[in-house]
Amino acid sequence: GAGVSQSPRYKVAKRGQDVALRCDPISGHVSLFWYQQALGQGPEFLTYFQNEAQLDKSGLPSDRFFAERPEGSVSTLKIQRTQQEDSAVYLCASSLRPRTDTQYFGPGTRLTVL
Amino acid sequence: SQQGEEDPQALSIQEGENATMNCSYKTSINNLQWYRQNSGRGLVHLILIRSNEREKHSGRLRVTLDTSKKSSSLLITASRAADTASYFCATNRNSGNTPLVFGKGTRLSVIA
Repeated sequence: GAGVSQSPRYKVAKRGQDVALRCDPISGHVSLFWYQQALGQGPEFLTYFQNEAQLDKSGLPSDRFFAERPEGSVSTLKIQRTQQEDSAVYLCASSLRPRTDTQYFGPGTRLTVL
Repeated sequence: SQQGEEDPQALSIQEGENATMNCSYKTSINNLQWYRQNSGRGLVHLILIRSNEREKHSGRLRVTLDTSKKSSSLLITASRAADTASYFCATNRNSGNTPLVFGKGTRLSVIA
């Protein structure tokens, strides 16, 4: 595809439900990042993959958050037992190579936890 | 936690005027980038300036970087209504495979 795509674009979950957010990076991009953006704030880093290897997960806020990229392309961010404070826009970004500085962002998934 | 602050938090100008947004950050960096975000959409990369550069231009955009003051500015000349968006600066401590650290953004409104 032409850019990074994410699905679903909007997700409403009841507190306690599990959710899975998908990211399709630009074809051939090695690096993949997940960010969380709260309302009125800038994005904050969650986790980073180089191919299928999760090299940095220091930004994941709790052990309820889990991300994977098993074949080095599509990535899924899973949130278990969602809480209201998880409500945010989840952004995925990819870059061509590990030493490429420009990250290309998807449109995001807006998660609302009721 | 976020790296720094943009100011102003919000800016409203008339079409045709110039818009200046500032960004301050806290730690040493390899590069600084500016992104635009339209309402409900993802971020679009605008321009990157490296720590050994002081000024960079791209079309109607001009970015400056002062590493001694840990600050950057983004100037948009001859603004258009389509420039209405939120603008974020993001720093990268190392080249490439490290996460970007974003500020809180400036909300720019350009009135036609």
